[in-house]
Amino acid sequence: EPEVTQTPSHQVTQMGQEVILRCVPISNHLYFYWYRQILGQKVEFLVSFYNNEISEKSEIFDDQFSVERPDGSNFTLKIRSTKLEDSAMYFCASSVGRNTEAFFGQGTRLTVV
Amino acid sequence: GNSVTQMEGPVTLSEEAFLTINCTYTATGYPSLFWYVQYPGEGLQLLLKATKADDKGSNKGFEATYRKETTSFHLEKGSVQVSDSAVYFCALLYQGGSEKLVFGKGTKLTVNP
Repeated sequence: EPEVTQTPSHQVTQMGQEVILRCVPISNHLYFYWYRQILGQKVEFLVSFYNNEISEKSEIFDDQFSVERPDGSNFTLKIRSTKLEDSAMYFCASSVGRNTEAFFGQGTRLTVV
Repeated sequence: GNSVTQMEGPVTLSEEAFLTINCTYTATGYPSLFWYVQYPGEGLQLLLKATKADDKGSNKGFEATYRKETTSFHLEKGSVQVSDSAVYFCALLYQGGSEKLVFGKGTKLTVNP
């Protein structure tokens, strides 16, 4: 069964460092998303991406965040200068079309120290 | 705005007990509704969905009916198993503009043998 894969599963980084979280969406999907879940809190939408550009973003997704689809298969989330409060589980998701069900990856646990 | 309210957990049940996890939503228009499950150490998996009023989603013995009149999508299972222990998230997808899933806070279920 096709699935969304994310790497790494766990990343520890020092405050102020840049991190790149990687995702391989399901191959025939056209819409890609990043969500995050701070420990004990809700899963929150960060950004959606379609046709090589951001189609929607939340207020959380400020200038320190960026997304890219560099090679037609990977979908990355970059955090330029990590803060302690960026520590969370980051989920990548993809869907066939707009407003269709999203399939999630296993998540990357980011710990900023 | 759109929002989802789930019953507060944690919920602890004995094996073969009946499960209900309440979920109500606030949305303009007619969203699609979902239940996602997160097993320990894993990512979010779609459990079931309903896209219009009176639809019943079902999977693995779980059911939820989209009730427009009460704006609810309660999750039920007649006889839970230890393997059902997980965190359950209710979510909505607004069909008119936004592409993001809006999640509830999640309800942790523990089933004891």
